[in-house]
Amino acid sequence: DVVMTQSPFSLPVTLGQPASISCRSSQSLVYIDGNTYLSWFQQRPGQSPRRLIYKLSNRDSGVPDRFSGSGSGTDFTLKISRVEAEDLGVYYCVQGVQWPYTFGQGTKLEIK
Amino acid sequence: QVQLVESGGGVVQPGTSLRLSCAGSGFTFSHYDMQWLRHSPGKGLEWVAVILHDGSREYYIDSVKGRFTISRDNSENALFLQMNSLRVEDTAVYYCAKDGGYSSPDLWGQGTLVTVSS
Repeated sequence: DVVMTQSPFSLPVTLGQPASISCRSSQSLVYIDGNTYLSWFQQRPGQSPRRLIYKLSNRDSGVPDRFSGSGSGTDFTLKISRVEAEDLGVYYCVQGVQWPYTFGQGTKLEIK
Repeated sequence: QVQLVESGGGVVQPGTSLRLSCAGSGFTFSHYDMQWLRHSPGKGLEWVAVILHDGSREYYIDSVKGRFTISRDNSENALFLQMNSLRVEDTAVYYCAKDGGYSSPDLWGQGTLVTVSS
């Protein structure tokens, strides 16, 4: 299985400041069609996961533009340009290039 | 309103069975691959099973192969997960989800809790 490794495990942040979460995959997430099958999800307390980013860097409808995804091959980053209170929760990177699709272990974004 | 609503969770003993259901609305259900995922404190989030839009193919993670069966009824906009020979390690919140392209779900249900305990 493709192993997804996130860092840090916990990320204390100050509201209004930027934040960055890293994700590394055990193999390339570039599919035969040339696209990178890497997504990012947010799970707020008490809610279901919500997709923020798909295909490496594409924001889902309704996702604020302070969220951005980048990277290539096996190293990826989710950036929040200015953290707001509603951004607190757990963030997961996910690969969809090979079954079984797999999640990272999660990064908890919390107030410093 | 675009949504997925799961039902059927509960507390059961090891070795018994449970059937989860998921009702989709607000989108053309038959056009999309559908999936079941689960979230447990020990294993985190993981996919359980995927079924193609027309029901022609199914995929399972190794730990549930031969015990769980995913199915769908496109005439009723419904997705199912038949879980047999349940184990303590199957305890989790189970989510129904719609594939949003690139093997990534873009719509999730609220989840239903399955607890397997003696």
